[in-house]
Amino acid sequence: AQKITQTQPGMFVQEKEAVTLDCTYDTSDPSYGLFWYKQPSSGEMIFLIYQGSYDQQNATEGRYSLNFQKARKSANLVISASQLGDSAMYFCATTPSGYSTLTFGKGTMLLVSP
Amino acid sequence: NAGVTQTPKFQVLKTGQSMTLQCAQDMNHNSMYWYRQDPGMGLRLIYYSASEGTTDKGEVPNGYNVSRLNKREFSLRLESAAPSQTSVYFCASRPSGSSTDTQYFGPGTRLTVL
Repeated sequence: AQKITQTQPGMFVQEKEAVTLDCTYDTSDPSYGLFWYKQPSSGEMIFLIYQGSYDQQNATEGRYSLNFQKARKSANLVISASQLGDSAMYFCATTPSGYSTLTFGKGTMLLVSP
Repeated sequence: NAGVTQTPKFQVLKTGQSMTLQCAQDMNHNSMYWYRQDPGMGLRLIYYSASEGTTDKGEVPNGYNVSRLNKREFSLRLESAAPSQTSVYFCASRPSGSSTDTQYFGPGTRLTVL
């Protein structure tokens, strides 16, 4: 079974600053994927970034990057140059290789202030 | 290309009533999923269908049934609604069972059971 822990219920950051959202995972599978999703106040789930457990480099997508530390079982999301539109709930999720189901963490609420 | 659509968007039921939540995707995806989202709990998997003709239980299947009507459609039925089923329900789809594929989410259905 997989488990995702997001220890920060809420985070505050000022516009244009960088912020790191923490995610640790627990899995016994040798191969797995890690995902981050954004959920704005409108409610939809938006895919941000993916990291495979065997990927040699940290994933990046525009202002989003994933700080993947396999030995520590952490997959932190880094948002550079925060914008007001980044205010949302952020979820970390994992899936074992060969399976299609996702296990989500409880999320972190990010508030970006002007 | 509508992506994943869900109907209805909102629903209020009385305890004991039944209803079916509808989900359809037009991306020719093989896998489809139903989640519920409760405050502070993240998303939890109710049922999923890895491919047309198959369905499997997720983390919280009690009180629900599903039907994979065809490749496009995956419905969730509450036979006898209970207040504990008050939640936001999300349908999602995925191209395949590969762990590298992200899931694409519908807009959600907000259900209240009185």
